[in-house]
Amino acid sequence: DGGITQSPKYLFRKEGQNVTLSCEQNLNHDAMYWYRQDPGQGLRLIYYSQIVNDFQKGDIAEGYSVSREKKESFPLTVTSAQKNPTAFYLCASSSPLGSVNTGELFFGEGSRLTVL
Amino acid sequence: KQEVTQIPAALSVPEGENLVLNCSFTDSAIYNLQWFRQDPGKGLTSLLLIQSSQREQTSGRLNASLDKSSGRSTLYIAASQPGDSATYLCAVRPLRAGTASKLTFGTGTRLQVTL
Repeated sequence: DGGITQSPKYLFRKEGQNVTLSCEQNLNHDAMYWYRQDPGQGLRLIYYSQIVNDFQKGDIAEGYSVSREKKESFPLTVTSAQKNPTAFYLCASSSPLGSVNTGELFFGEGSRLTVL
Repeated sequence: KQEVTQIPAALSVPEGENLVLNCSFTDSAIYNLQWFRQDPGKGLTSLLLIQSSQREQTSGRLNASLDKSSGRSTLYIAASQPGDSATYLCAVRPLRAGTASKLTFGTGTRLQVTL
């Protein structure tokens, strides 16, 4: 089945540790995104990538880093510099503009990160 | 800056009732608008995508409309069922070049359908 796979589903981190969240898609989409979701708040964009080897900061990029070495993969690292990392993280990809259902956004199942 | 508002924040209806969820946006220069459903602890599932040139889209018991000039979209759910209980979010994609662009999400309407 085509889709987006995020792992791990749950992750616990001690303060001062970096952690990496995995996101893999087999939808052949160029564009990929990372969002953060906190209770009572809308989704906030961390980073996005339009194409391999290119990515842009979103609204809340501080304390996070990404890479885009392959079209299928867009891992997110939550660094120790992120002051309040406990949240639900969602990865997404979108279909190309000009295609059928142009610009439709698809999400993974999310990763819940808890800092102990 | 685009702002997206969803009212009400929460809604409880008895099973079988037809209902309307609202989504308002401040900047009418949009590429498309998408409705999602989110179950607790899960990712977002795409329900309907409306391109800026379209007025409505339908999928089963769901119908979404778009009025760009007034900055509004509605999601109509017919004959609601307990399985429809979830949070419903809308998001707008701005009208700009590039495959990836910064969508703006509403904070959602939490729907509970009771027996």
